[in-house]
Amino acid sequence: DAKTTQPPSMDCAEGRAANLPCNHSTISGNEYVYWYRQIHSQGPQYIIHGLKNNETNEMASLIITEDRKSSTLILPHATLRDTAVYYCIVRVNTGGFKTIFGAGTRLFVKA
Amino acid sequence: EAGVTQFPSHSVIEKGQTVTLRCDPISGHDNLYWYRRVMGKEIKFLLHFVKESKQDESGMPNNRFLAERTGGTYSTLKVQPAELEDSGVYFCASRGTLGNTIYFGEGSWLTVV
Repeated sequence: DAKTTQPPSMDCAEGRAANLPCNHSTISGNEYVYWYRQIHSQGPQYIIHGLKNNETNEMASLIITEDRKSSTLILPHATLRDTAVYYCIVRVNTGGFKTIFGAGTRLFVKA
Repeated sequence: EAGVTQFPSHSVIEKGQTVTLRCDPISGHDNLYWYRRVMGKEIKFLLHFVKESKQDESGMPNNRFLAERTGGTYSTLKVQPAELEDSGVYFCASRGTLGNTIYFGEGSWLTVV
């Protein structure tokens, strides 16, 4: 599985958009970009995933660059409850679907 | 629909004792995964079941850890004998056969003293 690089921490003001970057320059053509988050001591929570096209759901938007070497997770209106560690993961959707976690980005949403 | 459930949520045991963690995946999910996070480290993959078969157990740290999934429903992860470095949170996750998303439970916190 390709390795990802994320900033260790970021701050965001409540109500503003949080833009979390991720570099995955060695991503393969059949690897998807997945985002999970872990709020405090809870289990990792799925947020969104994509292959090539930008994706949006009720939680977030995912913007993937045309060369697929990087992506950005966007939380459009961050709330205090969005404070968490966000993990960017790349993996294939075949075989074991093994999900490898890195260090992630610790997002602090401030009032 | 119930999510992935894990039991116990917290456990404190003495070094050398045995602990068994249980995971109930989302109903109908054939794929079951175990992960763990020890203090200060990243979340690490332990193993993957497809129904009752171990598909990938490359992440199991040593032979003190035994995972089972008899009948292909719930799974147990036994640590025997427990060591101090086994302390951490153990996550279980599941995925449906046709699904691409892995759903995690809330974890079982293990403290070995």
